[in-house]
Amino acid sequence: KQEVTQIPAALSVPEGENLVLNCSFTDSAIYNLQWFRQDPGKGLTSLLLIQSSQREQTSGRLNASLDKSSGRSTLYIAASQPGDSATYLCAAVNNAGNMLTFGGGTRLMVKP
Amino acid sequence: SAVISQKPSRDICQRGTSLTIQCQVDSQVTMMFWYRQQPGQSLTLIATANQGSEATYESGFVIDKFPISRPNLTFSTLTVSNMSPEDSSIYLCSVTGTGGFRSYEQYFGPGTRLTVT
Repeated sequence: KQEVTQIPAALSVPEGENLVLNCSFTDSAIYNLQWFRQDPGKGLTSLLLIQSSQREQTSGRLNASLDKSSGRSTLYIAASQPGDSATYLCAAVNNAGNMLTFGGGTRLMVKP
Repeated sequence: SAVISQKPSRDICQRGTSLTIQCQVDSQVTMMFWYRQQPGQSLTLIATANQGSEATYESGFVIDKFPISRPNLTFSTLTVSNMSPEDSSIYLCSVTGTGGFRSYEQYFGPGTRLTVT
């Protein structure tokens, strides 16, 4: 059974810092890995999806990497802003491409 | 771009009653799912909503408690039956497949915040 872990559970940084969020998964037989953002009391916004054959994906100030062999993914946020404050969730997609297993999330606070 | 909506956005219900949550997509999608997010927790998959047939439930979730319908490729409902305070959660639908979504990337509705008193 796939298990996904995110470290740290919470993170507080001053504005402008570059930061890395970590995600690890136990079963490397994944179809892809997806990163989401969730604002308090809201639904999820898809940030980046990395196919199992890819090593990384970039969108603006966000860069996500994937190392299947070690069961790890990282989300890099450059030049953090207060508007980046949210919970970030990673989810591993099974080989059928339909089931997501979520990590516990990293709650990020960026202070002005 | 395609839009996913849920109704209601929030509700406060009395224990023992039932609530039906609707999920509507403005284009046809291959797959629809229902998730639960308990307070302070991450998301747990309840079931996959199958068009025209019974939903596929994950371990720990049963049809009598969470009946699901999916009459077509754009609409699904989740009912939370005989509610107790432990059912207080955010319930989210998600979709993947065609209709303006990149293949196999899952997209989520805004969620329904349920409080049971």
